[in-house]
Amino acid sequence: AQKVTQAQTEISVVEKEDVTLDCVYETRDTTYYLFWYKQPPSGELVFLIRRNSFDEQNEISGRYSWNFQKSTSSFNFTITASQVVDSAVYFCALSGSISNFGNEKLTFGTGTRLTIIP
Amino acid sequence: DTGVSQNPRHKITKRGQNVTFRCDPISEHNRLYWYRQTLGQGPEFLTYFQNEAQLEKSRLLSDRFSAERPKGSFSTLEIQRTEQGDSAMYLCASSLIKVNSGTGELFFGEGSRLTVL
Repeated sequence: AQKVTQAQTEISVVEKEDVTLDCVYETRDTTYYLFWYKQPPSGELVFLIRRNSFDEQNEISGRYSWNFQKSTSSFNFTITASQVVDSAVYFCALSGSISNFGNEKLTFGTGTRLTIIP
Repeated sequence: DTGVSQNPRHKITKRGQNVTFRCDPISEHNRLYWYRQTLGQGPEFLTYFQNEAQLEKSRLLSDRFSAERPKGSFSTLEIQRTEQGDSAMYLCASSLIKVNSGTGELFFGEGSRLTVL
């Protein structure tokens, strides 16, 4: 069985502070994908990143960065110099084993509500 | 707008009534997914289609739920004899998947919120 744990239910930081959202996952698959999605108040899930299990390189995209550590089964997300527009619920997700046609059946965590205080 | 479209956005119904939600995916996408999200939780997988074929259904999808994608384009999710526990946001997502391309990016719609009184 797959499981994604986001232990931080809610986080509030003052604008311009850095913030890290934690994600720990469990899977028996040797090949899998990890994702982060943002859900603003409008409700639409916005894709942020996909990382496969063979690529442990950290990634940076603007103010966003991701730290994938297979040894600790963690895929943490850091926002640098946070802005009010970053306020949203953030979900970490995991996909199952990959067939020839791929598999986007995602197991989501319970999300972290991030509030950026102006 | 070329994103995933869901209708209606909100539905309030009385217990025991039937409801139907529609999802129009991004036009060239061959995969379509339904997820359910309850308050304070992450989305949970319900079912997905590859073109018109329904390839997998979650155990969450009881006999009262049925999903179709008759022509491989739009999809409907019908809930019969609704119960209060069905109250949730129903999310649709689509993707373009090709052989040996691995996992594609899911594009989600804004969801259809169901309230069962």
